[in-house]
Amino acid sequence: AQSVTQLDSHVSVSEGTPVLLRCNYSSSYSPSLFWYVQHPNKGLQLLLKYTSAATLVKGINGFEAEFKKSETSFHLTKPSAHMSDAAEYFCVVSGGATNKLIFGTGTLLAVQP
Amino acid sequence: DTGVSQNPRHKITKRGQNVTFRCDPISEHNRLYWYRQTLGQGPEFLTYFQNEAQLEKSRLLSDRFSAERPKGSFSTLEIQRTEQGDSAMYLCASSRTAATNEKLFFGSGTQLSVL
Repeated sequence: AQSVTQLDSHVSVSEGTPVLLRCNYSSSYSPSLFWYVQHPNKGLQLLLKYTSAATLVKGINGFEAEFKKSETSFHLTKPSAHMSDAAEYFCVVSGGATNKLIFGTGTLLAVQP
Repeated sequence: DTGVSQNPRHKITKRGQNVTFRCDPISEHNRLYWYRQTLGQGPEFLTYFQNEAQLEKSRLLSDRFSAERPKGSFSTLEIQRTEQGDSAMYLCASSRTAATNEKLFFGSGTQLSVL
């Protein structure tokens, strides 16, 4: 079975400082991993996805994530936070052949001016 | 693409009433998914369709829930005899193919409140 654990329910950073959102995964085979973002009153949007082509994945809006098999982690980072990054972020693993997505519980990112 | 459209955006109903939600996926997307999201939680898978065929249902989907995708285009999710525990955001998503790494496009959801 596949699952993801987001290690922080809330993260607060100052504008212009780095962002780190942590995610560990569990999968019985080579996983497809994603990060989705959810802004208030908006639909979920794909930030980036890992599909075994490269361990460092670049996404939209300056976000990137590194797949580390030895640590079963897929942490999301951004060098410099912007006010518009304030949102809820979900780490997601694909549930095999059905492409059923299994979401973590989410990390709420707050960006302070 | 015009995006995944869900209607209504909000639904308030009394306990025991039936409700129906509609999802219009992106044109020519073969896969359609329903998820449910409660406050403070990530979305939970409910069911999915490959064209008009419903291929999997979560055990979260009790017999009061039914979903259809009659012509492989739009889909409806009906909840009969609603309960307060059904209050949640119901999300629809679609994807172009069945590939395991295929991007899902989500609608903005239908927020259900059961009084």
